[in-house]
Amino acid sequence: GAGVSQSPSNKVTEKGKDVELRCDPISGHTALYWYRQRLGQGLEFLIYFQGNSAPDKSGLPSDRFSAERTGESVSTLTIQRTQQEDSAVYLCASSLSATTDTQYFGPGTRLTVL
Amino acid sequence: DQQVKQNSPSLSVQEGRISILNCDYTNSMFDYFLWYKKYPAEGPTFLISISSIKDKNEDGRFTVFLNKSAKHLSLHIVPSQPGDSAVYFCAAIRGNAGNMLTFGGGTRLMVKP
Repeated sequence: GAGVSQSPSNKVTEKGKDVELRCDPISGHTALYWYRQRLGQGLEFLIYFQGNSAPDKSGLPSDRFSAERTGESVSTLTIQRTQQEDSAVYLCASSLSATTDTQYFGPGTRLTVL
Repeated sequence: DQQVKQNSPSLSVQEGRISILNCDYTNSMFDYFLWYKKYPAEGPTFLISISSIKDKNEDGRFTVFLNKSAKHLSLHIVPSQPGDSAVYFCAAIRGNAGNMLTFGGGTRLMVKP
């Protein structure tokens, strides 16, 4: 079956512009996560959604970052007024539920802020 | 404050030998641990996991060991194969914090033929 997909695969933007990153989770997965990986570092948790519950936004680095999810489907991560330090690979993952179910990752979106 | 650390950024091993990747953590609330493998330009893929109630979990060539008192886990790959060359991340979950993963910085494993 189809895995987690993300678009675009690469995004180059100018400092100060807004960007939207999209994630399509595996069908039937109720939990969806966003992480980012900056160059040479490990993955940092950003936000997660579980069903219709309020999202856990504890990992968002600033109020320029926001994310939405419609039901149990697509999610969009929005970064407003991008800064050079936002340059990273943004990874989305989904799992059946928010327990210790395995998280399946998408290929990521590489964001470069010039 | 890094709660999960992988102190070796890289490891080189000869094909057929054992690869040992190490991971340390500081948060005693972590109760589930995972290893992910990542190839360039791909997302991480799940490899193996272990619950804090166990000290060992084995799956084919991969074994994860957990030493709770030392807050240390390791991944053993025996025998190592060139296709195992990738970046390996350990990750941890706190049982009462949903399923969010706290990752280490990764270790790049190179298996030489």
